[in-house]
Amino acid sequence: AQKITQTQPGMFVQEKEAVTLDCTYDTSDPSYGLFWYKQPSSGEMIFLIYQGSYDQQNATEGRYSLNFQKARKSANLVISASQLGDSAMYFCASRWRDDKIIFGKGTRLHILP
Amino acid sequence: GAGVSQTPSNKVTEKGKYVELRCDPISGHTALYWYRQSLGQGPEFLIYFQGTGAADDSGLPNDRFFAVRPEGSVSTLKIQRTERGDSAVYLCASSSHSSGANVLTFGAGSRLTVL
Repeated sequence: AQKITQTQPGMFVQEKEAVTLDCTYDTSDPSYGLFWYKQPSSGEMIFLIYQGSYDQQNATEGRYSLNFQKARKSANLVISASQLGDSAMYFCASRWRDDKIIFGKGTRLHILP
Repeated sequence: GAGVSQTPSNKVTEKGKYVELRCDPISGHTALYWYRQSLGQGPEFLIYFQGTGAADDSGLPNDRFFAVRPEGSVSTLKIQRTERGDSAVYLCASSSHSSGANVLTFGAGSRLTVL
């Protein structure tokens, strides 16, 4: 069965440092997509970045980049130059061939001033 | 509409009662998803619609839960004989499905509390 795993329940990072949030997935489908969403304490879910399984290059969106290692089945989110406003829950999610989208358990990121 | 609208934003009910949660997706979005999120957890997949039909309802926990989308737009999640364990935030999301990414836009959620 398809599965998304986030092994870091919480992380503390100093402001302005880069941070990597881990995500691994398990599927036998050749076609899939991987997403990262941010959920601040307000509760809204904010889309950050997407990587398709056939995309040749790692996705980037501003300070966010996705370190996609297909052979390892990992899709880690890298946030460069972290800011206090980056403190939130971060969820990795996957879309499988049938378009079902499932989420990991999340990582709570705390940015320290 | 401009965004995904969910009503009610908060619902408090007693154990055993029937509840309906409504989701109004972005106009033109053909795909609609329901998730349940407990405190400190990730969204748990319940069901997803493509148009009027449920493409995958494998996440519905039991037969007390049912969802419809009769005209391919607004969807209603129905919970019968509510139990305390049903207390959670129910999230709805929609997508246009026009690109490979299928990025979901979420509503603000309906917080259900079963006393």
